[in-house]
Amino acid sequence: DADVTQTPRNRITKTGKRIMLECSQTKGHDRMYWYRQDPGLGLRLIYYSFDVKDINKGEISDGYSVSRQAQAKFSLSLESAIPNQTALYFCATRSANTGELFFGEGSRLTVL
Amino acid sequence: GDSVTQMEGPVTLSEEACLTINCTYTATGYPSLFWYVQYPGEGLQLLLKATKADDKGSNKGFEATYRKETTSFHLEKGSVQVSDSAVYFCALSDNNTGKLIFGQGTTLQVKP
Repeated sequence: DADVTQTPRNRITKTGKRIMLECSQTKGHDRMYWYRQDPGLGLRLIYYSFDVKDINKGEISDGYSVSRQAQAKFSLSLESAIPNQTALYFCATRSANTGELFFGEGSRLTVL
Repeated sequence: GDSVTQMEGPVTLSEEACLTINCTYTATGYPSLFWYVQYPGEGLQLLLKATKADDKGSNKGFEATYRKETTSFHLEKGSVQVSDSAVYFCALSDNNTGKLIFGQGTTLQVKP
């Protein structure tokens, strides 16, 4: 089983719908991150969390919200999806020892 | 703010050719530097890293040296294989928050 699991892997939705992307991890890391990937733009940070009670905005947080339900779970929500939120979304955790980020396999979201 | 710039792709090489993907960065302080690789349909995985000036990271035949004087971390491989075809991301780490700032990614295609 993957250490960082994202669901759903693919989702097509319509403008205005509420969408939740879920992330769970078995690595025991405190720090978790949500990124989005767009062609030619690399990965951009949406939100990150140091622990259950510490959540921070990244560079492109507008239109998104997050919830850290437990150390192992970090969800990303789009309250009212719009077409320019069509992207590949990645969740990641960070090792405190090495600084390495471990990524999930991604959630591809299409907003029509 | 901190940023990472990679050479534009795609890069197309024949098998056994030499590879260099340029990466330069702008940062305050002394960030750690990373190369991540994304194979088709997969998430990102760490390829190599360097945590201080003059460190050389290496893995799977790839190398990169942390050059503080030129603020660079170029990725090199002496002889590429078809299986190296992927998207390569250079990144720097904010050592306080642990968040990674990514370059835009460089697509490598290796032909037999």
